[in-house]
Amino acid sequence: DAGVTQSPTHLIKTRGQQVTLRCSPISGHKSVSWYQQVLGQGPQFIFQYYEKEERGRGNFPDRFSARQFPNYSSELNVNALLLGDSALYLCASSFYRGTTEAFFGQGTRLTVV
Amino acid sequence: TQLLEQSPQFLSIQEGENLTVYCNSSSVFSSLQWYRQEPGEGPVLLVTVVTGGEVKKLKRLTFQFGDARKDSSLHITAAQPGDTGLYLCAGDDSSGSARQLTFGSGTQLTVLP
Repeated sequence: DAGVTQSPTHLIKTRGQQVTLRCSPISGHKSVSWYQQVLGQGPQFIFQYYEKEERGRGNFPDRFSARQFPNYSSELNVNALLLGDSALYLCASSFYRGTTEAFFGQGTRLTVV
Repeated sequence: TQLLEQSPQFLSIQEGENLTVYCNSSSVFSSLQWYRQEPGEGPVLLVTVVTGGEVKKLKRLTFQFGDARKDSSLHITAAQPGDTGLYLCAGDDSSGSARQLTFGSGTQLTVLP
């Protein structure tokens, strides 16, 4: 069975640009969450989507947005990139909304220059 | 916002030694999870503890949840080089409508052959 897949694996962007990151959850999983992991720190919660609706949002600015599609895949968008947005962006899928046991993808390494 | 503190931040030991990693919070969590993360990869779930005082074993790894569900520990017996990685604890922080994880900053373990 395929695990959580994220694309691209690496990305370099310039300050002020916009970026879209993609995630496909494990088959049958309806909940997708996004986390940001800055070097040397643990992941920080950005969004949770369940059944195509946003169910929660972490302490991130409005430059961060996301959506979930009918096939439960998800996109994370970040506008007006800042140097501080450089991080590993992790997608986690869960079977249903009521569990926090998360299965993570390998992440997208975003570098903003 | 609930916070998790992990200690030590870095740990370098020789193969065959024992070690304990601690995860502490002033808040109560309904459950707590331990993950291991290797460079360039997403975190991999090791265990979930739910009941205060619960002890779970995974081969040479022993996980304990504090009686008050505010702290946890991970003990590794006879560490091997394959145990090298970033160990993260994460608490179930579902105060809102989202099921989100609050992560500690991690313990970077290096086991030398």
